[in-house]
Amino acid sequence: QVHLQQWGAGLLKPSETLSLTCAVYGGSLSGYYWSWIRQPPGKGLEWIGEINHSGSTSYNPSLKSRVTISVDTSKNHFSLKLTSVTAADTAVYYCARVFSGWAERNWFDPWGQGTLVTVSS
Amino acid sequence: DIQMTQSPSSLSASEGDRVTITCRASQSIGSYLNWYQQKPGKAPKLLMYAASNLQSGVPFRFSGGGSGTDFTLTISSLQLEDFATYYCQQTYSIPRSFGQGTKLEIK
Repeated sequence: QVHLQQWGAGLLKPSETLSLTCAVYGGSLSGYYWSWIRQPPGKGLEWIGEINHSGSTSYNPSLKSRVTISVDTSKNHFSLKLTSVTAADTAVYYCARVFSGWAERNWFDPWGQGTLVTVSS
Repeated sequence: DIQMTQSPSSLSASEGDRVTITCRASQSIGSYLNWYQQKPGKAPKLLMYAASNLQSGVPFRFSGGGSGTDFTLTISSLQLEDFATYYCQQTYSIPRSFGQGTKLEIK
């Protein structure tokens, strides 16, 4: 059973770079896309982007200029970098596997435990 | 971009009630619609995928329906553990998007 474990710095100053990593246990990166999602405190979910094991990526246009998602198949993990953070980037960040069904129907399962990232001076 | 709108935004109900949450897409998305449940301090959990398919391990009191632009999530008989926030999500196109959430509270 696949399990995702994520980590990264939880407190950043404005203009710094957010960096999070999500490790995949009990399965391989191959054959799936892997996604990052965030949730500001008390608010809804926002899709950030995703990557497959070959490094093919898709990003939310609203964040694309600041986001990089990368993959390290040797360590079986993938990572998120978000540059030039502001208070608006304060959120719980989640990683998730994008499961692909028939006719490219996709759903997110499982999810990582979430990491709260706070941006404050 | 596809906008997802859920209604209601919040709902008060009692144990044993039947409740339905609605999700509407700004354009047709076929059956590329998923539902998640989120409890405070926890990651979202997949309930339904491709509009009407129950994820393994999810109780049969949950059901989903719809296609095109209008979708529903129904809980046939509310249990205490069902009080949570529910999100719909479209995966028809990039950027993938979620509804704003429906908070289900105990009456």
